[in-house]
Amino acid sequence: SAVISQKPSRDICQRGTSLTIQCQVDSQVTMMFWYRQQPGQSLTLIATANQGSEATYESGFVIDKFPISRPNLTFSTLTVSNLSPEDSSIYLCSLLIGGEQFFGPGTRLTVL
Amino acid sequence: KQEVTQIPAALSVPEGENLVLNCSFTDSAIYNLQWFRQDPGKGLTSLLLIQSSQREQTSGRLNASLDKSSGRSTLYIAASQPGDSATYLCAVVGAGSYQLTFGKGTKLSVIP
Repeated sequence: SAVISQKPSRDICQRGTSLTIQCQVDSQVTMMFWYRQQPGQSLTLIATANQGSEATYESGFVIDKFPISRPNLTFSTLTVSNLSPEDSSIYLCSLLIGGEQFFGPGTRLTVL
Repeated sequence: KQEVTQIPAALSVPEGENLVLNCSFTDSAIYNLQWFRQDPGKGLTSLLLIQSSQREQTSGRLNASLDKSSGRSTLYIAASQPGDSATYLCAVVGAGSYQLTFGKGTKLSVIP
């Protein structure tokens, strides 16, 4: 497994602003993922972030709204842009080790 | 498109009872299946990973089974404790993929 940390753990943001979420891992991993969990719902994959290449976005998610950086094998950021109340969710990063996925503690975002 | 269903959506049991959580998936061509635990407002903790070639996995009081041909998995929790109270999520990875498809979870309450 790996130790995964996310910052911030929670935030309250105003409509129209942006929030950047950081994900730090204690070991080098090739594949990292970003998920969204809307209130009362299960997790939905936003995008896959591999170091050295552009992120791959799932249907319904676009780079302009959810830009992702992956500068090295232990770090990634997800920005949620032009926030609206519908973006209020828990955002989680995860990584793949030996076929098993491990998740960070999540970032709870509330948009007013 | 893979769909994962978990039944029941919620379950309340007295402490000490053995219980079974159910997960079904529509496409039997899976690479593996994972069971996770999620505490309120928190990230996911991986409980058990079952490869498509395996029938079951055990960890402590937890036992997960997989019947790939029928598209079913069960999570058995023995001698339940109040600390087991959480939402349990089932997720599958399709063959040739790395993306997890999640069920909506079973919210378990163990009453002291």
